[in-house]
Amino acid sequence: GNSVTQMEGPVTLSEEAFLTINCTYTATGYPSLFWYVQYPGEGLQLLLKATKADDKGSNKGFEATYRKETTSFHLEKGSVQVSDSAVYFCALSRRNYGGSQGNLIFGKGTKLSVKP
Amino acid sequence: DGGITQSPKYLFRKEGQNVTLSCEQNLNHDAMYWYRQDPGQGLRLIYYSQIVNDFQKGDIAEGYSVSREKKESFPLTVTSAQKNPTAFYLCASKQRGLGGELFFGEGSRLTVL
Repeated sequence: GNSVTQMEGPVTLSEEAFLTINCTYTATGYPSLFWYVQYPGEGLQLLLKATKADDKGSNKGFEATYRKETTSFHLEKGSVQVSDSAVYFCALSRRNYGGSQGNLIFGKGTKLSVKP
Repeated sequence: DGGITQSPKYLFRKEGQNVTLSCEQNLNHDAMYWYRQDPGQGLRLIYYSQIVNDFQKGDIAEGYSVSREKKESFPLTVTSAQKNPTAFYLCASKQRGLGGELFFGEGSRLTVL
């Protein structure tokens, strides 16, 4: 079946450090891939997405490339800030799920803490 | 501003009581979803609705019920049959169709005493 596996956290970094959060997936067909971010006490917000192989999603200095050969969608940022402290979720679109199309499967989330 | 409003933000309930969580959206989205979030488990789908007066069970529907009488509203009832209801509940919506972005509300935290 479809699933998403993220690296377990928490991840603690100093400000301006390089960030990588690993995400791999199992899916039938060619899903779209997403990264969502959840700040403390809030709902989730879309951070970036990629809809086909080799696409690169980017937003707010974060990037992720859809790698079909390795079934991965790792999140990276060159220089993190304290304000990036949040929980990050990798997700894939689940097609033809009871006719819902576009429903998402989420990873378990990775908590990032950035220290000044 | 367009968005999704969930209420209440915090809710306490005694065992054996039903409770209803509200979700309203003014984004004119057709599809609406309820997710449950537990620490270390990510988000799990409870129910979803693609259109008014129609809804489908998700992965963990047991002990929950929903209705979709209006396009903008998708309330979730946590019944006394739900064995472990303490959790953070998130409502989301999107346009129908493949892919697309899910827009989330800010969540409702339910604690059963």
